[in-house]
Amino acid sequence: DQQVKQNSPSLSVQEGRISILNCDYTNSMFDYFLWYKKYPAEGPTFLISISSIKDKNEDGRFTVFLNKSAKHLSLHIVPSQPGDSAVYFCAARYNFNKFYFGSGTKLNVKP
Amino acid sequence: NAGVTQTPKFRVLKTGQSMTLLCAQDMNHEYMYWYRQDPGMGLRLIHYSVGEGTTAKGEVPDGYNVSRLKKQNFLLGLESAAPSQTSVYFCASTFLASGNEQFFGPGTRLTVL
Repeated sequence: DQQVKQNSPSLSVQEGRISILNCDYTNSMFDYFLWYKKYPAEGPTFLISISSIKDKNEDGRFTVFLNKSAKHLSLHIVPSQPGDSAVYFCAARYNFNKFYFGSGTKLNVKP
Repeated sequence: NAGVTQTPKFRVLKTGQSMTLLCAQDMNHEYMYWYRQDPGMGLRLIHYSVGEGTTAKGEVPDGYNVSRLKKQNFLLGLESAAPSQTSVYFCASTFLASGNEQFFGPGTRLTVL
C-alpha cells in the first residue's frame, strides 16, 4: 500500500497562473517532505523541501505547504511558466535514510 | 564534477540472463539508493546503502542484490532477469548530514523479454 499518494496524474494551467500540486501521506513518522521535478529521459531533480515541524517553506516562485493534521502537502508555483512543464514527485523521509515517493503529477503549462 | 552517473543507459535482456547496473558518484556522499520507476507507481526503493560495505533492503528488494565495496560506487545486480523487472532504474545519492536532497542519475532503461 502506497504511503505517499498523488491522486492527480495530470494538471494543465495557463502561463502566469498558479499551479497547485497535491500530495497525501499516511505515515505520521515521516519527518521531511520533498518535491522533485522530472523531465523526460532525465533523473529527478530536487526542487524544495519542508521539515515536519514547519508548515510553509518558500523559494522564489515555489512554496510548499504542510498540513500535518490532514497529512497533506501541496506545492504552489506562482507564476507558472512553460518551462515548469514536467512531472512532479513528492517524497517523504522515514527514519533519516528511507524515502517514499508518490506516483507523480504531470504538469502542463500552456503558453 | 559529473555528479551521479549510471551505466549502461539502455539494455535488453532475455529472461534468465543476469546483469549488473553500475552507479557512480563523485560528491563523496555517504548514502546511495537504487529505485525503479514504473508507470503509475512512481519511484520505489529497491535497496540502499548508508556507507561503504553496508546495504539494506527497501520496498521491493526481491530479485535484486547490491554491493557497495567502494564509497563512490553502488552496484545493482539481477541474477536471473524476469519480464516483471522491465523498468527504468534510477540511482541516487545524498549526504549523511542532510539526508534530504537526493541527487539522481539519468536512469537505465531495462527491458526483459
